[in-house]
Amino acid sequence: NAGVTQTPKFQVLKTGQSMTLQCAQDMNHEYMSWYRQDPGMGLRLIHYSVGAGITDQGEVPNGYNVSRSTTEDFPLRLLSAAPSQTSVYFCASSGGQGSYEQYFGPGTRLTVT
Amino acid sequence: GENVEQHPSTLSVQEGDSAVIKCTYSDSASNYFPWYKQELGKRPQLIIDIRSNVGEKKDQRIAVTLNKTAKHFSLHITETQPEDSAVYFCAASEGGGADGLTFGKGTHLIIQP
Repeated sequence: NAGVTQTPKFQVLKTGQSMTLQCAQDMNHEYMSWYRQDPGMGLRLIHYSVGAGITDQGEVPNGYNVSRSTTEDFPLRLLSAAPSQTSVYFCASSGGQGSYEQYFGPGTRLTVT
Repeated sequence: GENVEQHPSTLSVQEGDSAVIKCTYSDSASNYFPWYKQELGKRPQLIIDIRSNVGEKKDQRIAVTLNKTAKHFSLHITETQPEDSAVYFCAASEGGGADGLTFGKGTHLIIQP
């Protein structure tokens, strides 16, 4: 199993550009989520999904969209990038069925200039 | 929503001594409390977790205690080693992680030789 994969690893955007951060898992996990990590702030939840077709907002959803059309994939879209979205983004998944452990992807480092 | 406070932000201990990191949470409905270790440039890795129906859990040199009445939980590392140096995060979730995790801001643990 590859576990949780994220692409790209690094990305530089100009203010106003849009892009999609990809996240995929091959563990047949029900639950997936996106976090951003900024220095001194810990990880903050952006959006999460409890299954295909179901998504909800986390603590810091503004400026981000998500969709979950399949169990495996959970892309995060930035519609109009802003410098405040410069951060490291982590995707995570967990299996449910009594297993609570969240498995994190390797992260995407995004810089918006 | 849930709020998790973590202390201290930096902890320096002599190799071989014990380290204790404390967290408090605000939502009495939270039922899952994981601890993550993150090395520089890496993804968070689960080191231990506890559910609300258990007061204490131990795994070799690492233990976690939970006081539901006071709404706080702690990480204990005994016989610290240089490889324990990292940033540690506590987190809480109401839905067993299905609705994502709320993280503390992290503790930078430094093991002095």
